[in-house]
Amino acid sequence: AQSVTQPDIHITVSEGASLELRCNYSYGATPYLFWYVQSPGQGLQLLLKYFSGDTLVQGIKGFEAEFKRSQSSFNLRKPSVHWSDAAEYFCAVGPTLLGGGNKLTFGTGTQLKVEL
Amino acid sequence: DGGITQSPKYLFRKEGQNVTLSCEQNLNHDAMYWYRQDPGQGLRLIYYSQIVNDFQKGDIAEGYSVSREKKESFPLTVTSAQKNPTAFYLCASSTPVGLYNEQFFGPGTRLTVL
Repeated sequence: AQSVTQPDIHITVSEGASLELRCNYSYGATPYLFWYVQSPGQGLQLLLKYFSGDTLVQGIKGFEAEFKRSQSSFNLRKPSVHWSDAAEYFCAVGPTLLGGGNKLTFGTGTQLKVEL
Repeated sequence: DGGITQSPKYLFRKEGQNVTLSCEQNLNHDAMYWYRQDPGQGLRLIYYSQIVNDFQKGDIAEGYSVSREKKESFPLTVTSAQKNPTAFYLCASSTPVGLYNEQFFGPGTRLTVL
């Protein structure tokens, strides 16, 4: 069964510092990979996605992620964090086979705090 | 504007009552989903529907029921059989299987059992 691990429950960074949020997945084939962001009491917004091709993916709000097949990872990065980036971040993996249904498996999330 | 709406935003229920959460989308998506979110547990899939008049159980379907009579609507009923219903509930939709399966989310409903 597919699974997603986000090893960091909480991360605190200073405004202007760089950020990397870790995501490891377990999946039998080439996965579809996603990063979502959630502000308190809100729904999830898609930051970026990887389906195939270039392993470095650019997203909204200055975020990027790199797919590393050999490490089963899809880490999210941002070179300079803004106070408005404080939120919870979720990594998700989806099936590529029709038989798997159109389901996503989510990690447990990483709560980002930004110190001014 | 296209999107997903959920209502109400906050819902209070007495023990033993059934309540229904609304989810409507105007994105013309075939697939719709319900997730439950609890602190520290991420999102867990309750039910999903890939086409009208068809739906499947997710990972935590016990105590919940759904219907899919229209493409645009996928209401979730939290029944009295759900032992711990207090949670944040999220509805999502996506394009059909076989195409890009990015999911779009609604703003959520927070259910509290009194």
